Amino acid sequence: GENVEQHPSTLSVQEGDSAVIKCTYSDSASNYFPWYKQELGKRPQLIIDIRSNVGEKKDQRIAVTLNKTAKHFSLHITETQPEDSAVYFCAASIYDNFGNEKLTFGTGTRLTIIP
Amino acid sequence: GAGVSQSPSNKVTEKGKDVELRCDPISGHTALYWYRQRLGQGLEFLIYFQGNSAPDKSGLPSDRFSAERTGESVSTLTIQRTQQEDSAVYLCASSFGTKPSYEQYFGPGTRLTVT
Repeated sequence: GENVEQHPSTLSVQEGDSAVIKCTYSDSASNYFPWYKQELGKRPQLIIDIRSNVGEKKDQRIAVTLNKTAKHFSLHITETQPEDSAVYFCAASIYDNFGNEKLTFGTGTRLTIIP
Repeated sequence: GAGVSQSPSNKVTEKGKDVELRCDPISGHTALYWYRQRLGQGLEFLIYFQGNSAPDKSGLPSDRFSAERTGESVSTLTIQRTQQEDSAVYLCASSFGTKPSYEQYFGPGTRLTVT
């Protein structure tokens, strides 16, 4: 079936450095790509998203890039801070075998910011 | 306003027993999703309700799992004859619209432990 692969599974960076998380997807019809952040013991929350008609989107220290030809998209966090420590999930919209459109999530990246 | 709520927050049950998990979505949200998150893993789609349409049950792992939703309100996820591999956090999410591009708001989850 259609899936989303996410790398790396864990990532540690020094405070102040940048972090990059990458995802690839298989469904060429995918047109919506959100990123969710899940802090320890809390619920996932949307932090940024991008649609297929846009190549890049920024919101303060976070940005997402999309390469539709290569079917991959990435999350970039600059000037990382301790509160950025969390698990990050990418997702892509897919059409399943029944014609339903829904999100498929990646397996998550545990980001640790080292003070 | 109130977010998505789930009950119970924790449930410990013996293998073979049935359990019922409840989700109260945000008022006015027509779409409701159930996900399973095993320890340290990603979000596994289970079932999706979209307004008054037939639910998308394609993610349910076995016929022991079922879910209902009354109109555009409360949903219950039922697991019959629980097995140890059912132990996980069950997350519910709701969104304003039926397309994946509408932000999904997650509940706090129900942590199910099958002994």
